[in-house]
This record gives sequence, C-alpha cells and structure tokens, in this order.
Amino acid sequence: AQSVTQLDSQVPVFEEAPVELRCNYSSSVSVYLFWYVQYPNQGLQLLLKYLSGSTLVKGINGFEAEFNKSQTSFHLRKPSVHISDTAEYFCAVIPNTGGFKTIFGAGTRLFVKA
Amino acid sequence: EAQVTQNPRYLITVTGKKLTVTCSQNMNHEYMSWYRQDPGLGLRQIYYSMNVEVTDKGDVPEGYKVSRKEKRNFPLILESPSPNQTSLYFCASSFSLAGSGTGELFFGEGSRLTVL
Repeated sequence: AQSVTQLDSQVPVFEEAPVELRCNYSSSVSVYLFWYVQYPNQGLQLLLKYLSGSTLVKGINGFEAEFNKSQTSFHLRKPSVHISDTAEYFCAVIPNTGGFKTIFGAGTRLFVKA
Repeated sequence: EAQVTQNPRYLITVTGKKLTVTCSQNMNHEYMSWYRQDPGLGLRQIYYSMNVEVTDKGDVPEGYKVSRKEKRNFPLILESPSPNQTSLYFCASSFSLAGSGTGELFFGEGSRLTVL
C-alpha cells in the first residue's frame, strides 16, 4: 500500500520569496510521482510529474521538484512566488507496476502575500 | 480541446431527492474516477472505472452509484442524498498504465453539491 504525507497544511509566504512545499511518501513498490495544483474554484491540473530519469523535474509556472529515493521525498520548489501562485497543491503517487489507484496527500494551501 | 466536463457545477437539493452528476471526457481515456473533496480531508475516491462496464468501489462509496455504459461518460448517482453528502465533487480520467498512460489524471472543474 502507498501513502502520501504533505508536511504542511498551510504555507504563507511573501511575494517574490522562495517557497518549498514538502511531500513524503511510503510505498513498497516503485511509483510515479505527481504534483497537482488547484486554483480557487477550479479543478486540479498537473503541475509536474516524475516518471524516471533525472531526479529534478521542471513543471509549469516556474515550479520544480526533486525526487529523493533514499528519503522517499518529492518536495516542490519555486525560487520566487507570485500572488497568482496562491492555490492548493497536492502531492500524489501511483504504483508504476500497473496499479490504477492514485494516492493523494491532504494538500498544502499556499498563500502568497503582497 | 481535451477536457473533462461535469454538470451541474452547482446544485442545491433536499434530502432524499435523487440526483445525477454527469461526467464526460473527450480523450478516449480508459480510466475514470469520482472524488469528493472536503475541508481537511483532501480528495477521497468514491468509485472508479477501468473501462466500459467495469466499475469498482473506492474509499467512500456508501450512498453513491455509478455506471459506465460508454467510454466517454461516467455519471455519479445519488439515489437518496443526505446532508453528509454535501461536498465538492470531481470527476477525473486518464489513460491506463497498462496502455500508454502514466497515471496523469485530468480533472473536471468540479460540482459543488449542497443537500439540505
């Protein structure tokens, strides 16, 4: 079985500051990892994904994440946030061995202040 | 445009009045799923479907029904809604990992349901 833990439920940050949203996962099999973003009053959309290869993956809107297998983490970072980055962010995993169920973390609400 | 379409987006109903939330995708995805989102609880899976005529329970299926008669459609049925089903509902779809998929989910815009 898999589980995903997002270590912060809310992250307030000032505009143009860097931000890191933390995600740890647990799985007995190899997984694909995802970050999804949910802007206010919208559905979730894919921010980035790690399937294999380079452990640093880049996504949309200047976000990037680093896969650390030894620490079973997939933290999301952005060097300089904008007001428009205010949203809820979900970390998710799915077994890459033919599994079908995506496991989501509880979400981190990023609030960017002017 | 590739999309997942849910209707209605907003609905207020009363206890016991049957309702259906429709979901349609135009990407030929095999896999479709329904989630509910509640404050502090994240996304919880209600039902999913691996393909036409193949459906199965997720984590919180009680009080819900689904059907998958066509590949593109996956309606969520609340036969007798109760106030604890007041929530934000999302439909999602993807290609299966057994096929060409990576598990990336495509979500609808959400349906906010209030049961009085």
